[in-house]
Amino acid sequence: ETGVTQSPTHLIKTRGQQVTLRCSSQSGHNTVSWYQQALGQGPQFIFQYYREEENGRGNFPPRFSGLQFPNYSSELNVNALELDDSALYLCASSTGTRNEKLFFGSGTQLSVL
Amino acid sequence: QQQVKQSPQSLIVQKGGISIINCAYENTAFDYFPWYQQFPGKGPALLIAIRPDVSEKKEGRFTISFNKSAKQFSLHIMDSQPGDSATYFCAVNNFNKFYFGSGTKLNVKP
Repeated sequence: ETGVTQSPTHLIKTRGQQVTLRCSSQSGHNTVSWYQQALGQGPQFIFQYYREEENGRGNFPPRFSGLQFPNYSSELNVNALELDDSALYLCASSTGTRNEKLFFGSGTQLSVL
Repeated sequence: QQQVKQSPQSLIVQKGGISIINCAYENTAFDYFPWYQQFPGKGPALLIAIRPDVSEKKEGRFTISFNKSAKQFSLHIMDSQPGDSATYFCAVNNFNKFYFGSGTKLNVKP
């Protein structure tokens, strides 16, 4: 059974650029959630995808968008990057929409300069 | 508005001691209360979780105490070990959204 994998592990971008982060969910999991973890803080819910549809969104602007593919892998896209977007982006997979047991990847550390 | 408040921010415990981390919430709609453990450079990993219909759950050295009327829950780590040194997050869940506490950095001294 493979775990949740995220790529890339680290990324440096400049303000105004766009970024795409990728996540492969754990085998057998059909739900992917994305979280933003600022330094010294707990993860904050961005959105969840279930069977390729967005199924809930946190308090993040529309420039944060996502996709889920038929194999349940997922992408997080962030447009018009701002300095405050610098954070660890975590992907978590689970089964079903209730998704009580989250399995997190190691994250992508994004730095916006 | 912070959905769950966690304390303390940091904790130093001697090996063999008991580590206690507390969380408080307001929204009674939350019905699942997990604790996650995070090591540097890793994502959080589920440690133990409880539902509001029980007041305590124990798994090995880890125990959750839940007080529904006070809207508080806590993690107790018995016989704390240096390998337990990590950041711990409580969380509350309502359907498909988790809200995490701000974290407690635990340092267990040998």
